[in-house]
Amino acid sequence: QVQLQESGPGLVKPSETLSLTCTVSGGSMSSYYWTWIRQPPGKGLEWIGNIYYSGGTNYNPSLKSRVTISVDTSKNHFSLRLNSVTAADTAVYYCAKRESSGYHHYWGQGTLVTVSS
Amino acid sequence: DIQLTQSPSFLSASVGDRVTITCRASQGISSYLAWYQQKPGKTPKLLIYAASTLQSGVPSRFSGSGSGTEFTLTISSLQPEDFATYYCQQLKTYPLTFGPGTKVDI
Repeated sequence: QVQLQESGPGLVKPSETLSLTCTVSGGSMSSYYWTWIRQPPGKGLEWIGNIYYSGGTNYNPSLKSRVTISVDTSKNHFSLRLNSVTAADTAVYYCAKRESSGYHHYWGQGTLVTVSS
Repeated sequence: DIQLTQSPSFLSASVGDRVTITCRASQGISSYLAWYQQKPGKTPKLLIYAASTLQSGVPSRFSGSGSGTEFTLTISSLQPEDFATYYCQQLKTYPLTFGPGTKVDI
C-alpha cells in the first residue's frame, strides 16, 4: 500500500520561500497525479495544485503566481515551492495521490508550516 | 471556479441518529464528488467517491447520493467515532474545490 510523507521546515520567515517534499513509498509514481492540499489552523481544505508523473501541472489560480510543483520519479518524490509567503500561508500542508479512480485515496499525515519572523 | 456549499455547517446529534449532510455545487459536476471525514489533528479520510461509491473499509452506515448540483452524505446510525467534520470535494473541473465543512457534534 502506498505511503506518503511530507518533509520540510516547520517555520518560514515572511517573504521567503516555503519548500516541502513528499516522499512516496510502496508504489510507483508512474501514471498518477500527485497533489498538494493545505489547511490553515481551524479552517477548511484548499487544493493547491497537482502534477502528473511526467511533469504536467495544474495550479489553483489563487496561488498560481507563487507556486511551483515539481516531480522526481527517480527519487520517488514530488515537491512544493511557495514563494513570498505571509502569515496567511500558515497551514498544515498535505500531499496526496490521485488514484486511477480520479480520487485522493491516499494522503500524507500532513506537516504544519508556520510563517513567522 | 466551482463553488461548493454545505448544509448545515454544524449539526448536533446523538448516537443512533440518522444524519444527512448536503453539498451543493454552483454548476453541474456530474458525479465527480468525494466525501471526507476529518477528526481533530488527523488527516482527512476518504469515505465516498464518485458521489456514491463507498471507499474500501468504510462502514456501510455511510452512503452517498446525488448528481449534477446536489449531493447528500447519509450516516444511517451515528456511532461515537463518527463525531467529526465532513467535507465534500468536486473533481470535475480545475481548480478542484472543497466545501466549507460540516461539523457533527454531540
